[in-house]
Amino acid sequence: QQQVKQSPQSLIVQKGGISIINCAYENTAFDYFPWYQQFPGKGPALLIAIRPDVSEKKEGRFTISFNKSAKQFSLHIMDSQPGDSATYFCAASAWKFGNEKLTFGTGTRLTIIP
Amino acid sequence: EPEVTQTPSHQVTQMGQEVILRCVPISNHLYFYWYRQILGQKVEFLVSFYNNEISEKSEIFDDQFSVERPDGSNFTLKIRSTKLEDSAMYFCASRVVAGGGEQFFGPGTRLTVL
Repeated sequence: QQQVKQSPQSLIVQKGGISIINCAYENTAFDYFPWYQQFPGKGPALLIAIRPDVSEKKEGRFTISFNKSAKQFSLHIMDSQPGDSATYFCAASAWKFGNEKLTFGTGTRLTIIP
Repeated sequence: EPEVTQTPSHQVTQMGQEVILRCVPISNHLYFYWYRQILGQKVEFLVSFYNNEISEKSEIFDDQFSVERPDGSNFTLKIRSTKLEDSAMYFCASRVVAGGGEQFFGPGTRLTVL
């Protein structure tokens, strides 16, 4: 029940296209859903995060869509650029219950081709 | 910009040896974490630490693991008797407040157990 399932495992998108990565969770206590970006040899860095009281959050080219009833959330990268090529992890935690560890998805390796 | 630092970047050790991984969290942060990432797999929570004691630990964090904040700046992870399966990237993270706020990750220490 603690798992966060992420798909696809890898994704190739043309420059300028939309990259979409999906995650699903089971634990209804989760109340914070961040996306992390990781470049080779680096630690994960927070990209954007959402709480379940909103259905969408946008920051620049990055948007999280959140469907509470389906227990799913997704990351959309608009106008994808070669610099976006990285591994993306969704995660979840249950802040309200004092359980603030992050449970990560399995990651998506995104490659943006010219 | 403040950042979490970790040393060493790469540690090679023989099975059965003790290793200490070091982290310097961001200076005003109060909550500290260790995560690990086995090559090609997802990031997994190991332990959280607040107010000089463990807040939560995963089933991975058995008696071979310990954490310590020996002074006001360092946060260490000790593995008493390393096993082959301990080979992974170990990430330290820190956060400033409870109930929210980004976890900032360090660049990681790659531990190789031979």
